[in-house]
Amino acid sequence: DQQVKQNSPSLSVQEGRISILNCDYTNSMFDYFLWYKKYPAEGPTFLISISSIKDKNEDGRFTVFLNKSAKHLSLHIVPSQPGDSAVYFCAASIGGATNKLIFGTGTLLAVQP
Amino acid sequence: GAVVSQHPSRVICKSGTSVKIECRSLDFQATTMFWYRQFPKQSLMLMATSNEGSKATYEQGVEKDKFLINHASLTLSTLTVTSAHPEDSSFYICSAHNRGNTEAFFGQGTRLTVV
Repeated sequence: DQQVKQNSPSLSVQEGRISILNCDYTNSMFDYFLWYKKYPAEGPTFLISISSIKDKNEDGRFTVFLNKSAKHLSLHIVPSQPGDSAVYFCAASIGGATNKLIFGTGTLLAVQP
Repeated sequence: GAVVSQHPSRVICKSGTSVKIECRSLDFQATTMFWYRQFPKQSLMLMATSNEGSKATYEQGVEKDKFLINHASLTLSTLTVTSAHPEDSSFYICSAHNRGNTEAFFGQGTRLTVV
């Protein structure tokens, strides 16, 4: 039972364009969502998070949008850079980031120069 | 940001032996640590939650007698894979935080290969 899903296993975009990574969840109890970037054989690196009381959070080139009614969130990266190429995981929790995280299946982003 | 160190980063062991993985929070006291496992091309799956000074809470389907977790201090948690089998080969990652954190900090992971 995959509670957090990323339906696109991979995404390829041109440098300078926008990257949009999507994530869907099924558990309406989730109230905190995070995005992590991960390279092979390394631990995830935190990018950005959003509480369920908000619908948007922005940090530099990264913006996360949350649509609670659709149980959907997305990560926008603008402009995309080759260094952004990695696997991106969305994660969800109940009660904040310090509680256990349920991860999505990941999306491999490739930013072409 | 806070630093979580995981050791070893890579280990190869023979089937039937035990392997210990350490997770240390270097610059903060971690009241809670989580252990995850990632199989190739799959998501990170939570194995257990480790609270300092108490028994770990295991997720459904995770054998507590096989994956021994000890959180003896506020800066160290260990995961011991006992009687390892080839199917235990995976990437194991810990995360740590304290009550004041707004995010979980992850170690760099341990690649376990059982031959």
